[in-house]
Amino acid sequence: DTAVSQTPKYLVTQMGNDKSIKCEQNLGHDTMYWYKQDSKKFLKIMFSYNNKELIINETVPNRFSPKSPDKAHLNLHINSLELGDSAVYFCASSPRTAGGNNSPLHFGNGTRLTVT
Amino acid sequence: SQQGEEDPQALSIQEGENATMNCSYKTSINNLQWYRQNSGRGLVHLILIRSNEREKHSGRLRVTLDTSKKSSSLLITASRAADTASYFCLYDKVIFGPGTSLSVIP
Repeated sequence: DTAVSQTPKYLVTQMGNDKSIKCEQNLGHDTMYWYKQDSKKFLKIMFSYNNKELIINETVPNRFSPKSPDKAHLNLHINSLELGDSAVYFCASSPRTAGGNNSPLHFGNGTRLTVT
Repeated sequence: SQQGEEDPQALSIQEGENATMNCSYKTSINNLQWYRQNSGRGLVHLILIRSNEREKHSGRLRVTLDTSKKSSSLLITASRAADTASYFCLYDKVIFGPGTSLSVIP
């Protein structure tokens, strides 16, 4: 009964490949997020979706494409992987839209992506 | 960059001591949250303080917020080895501070 689950937990792939990371939440939340954590543990927002609509799209390469088939899922597809994409990617969810409301984020356990 | 700062970057204390971490931010905020991240795990929400609050308590945690200085502090009292983790502030849902790595030595 994991609240926010990500798969896979580890992903090792070669440069140039295309890969996807899946995220699902069973909390009934409206908003989902993708964050990237680099090797120095800095966390940066990548995308946010509210009820399947994109509401935050930070400056990330367009090789990254989020897809939200329904409000319980937010998948991250990455094309033409590069060495610099190696990081831990976290999915999160919250009950309402970002900015102005006071609900906490619920995080998955992360996907460690290693590009060789 | 809108990213704030946290200090110290790393903190090592003995079990039973108090640990204080600070977070400074650059924008106006509606609320500020603190999260804990254990090694290899996702972030866990600890406490949220709203912009009109100055102090908040939750168990051994005490958070203060000074909007005039754009800063917040997290105090963990009577620390335990299990408190060893990284601690991050988050403001307005999308901007994380760089984090403080706390080591509590038994």
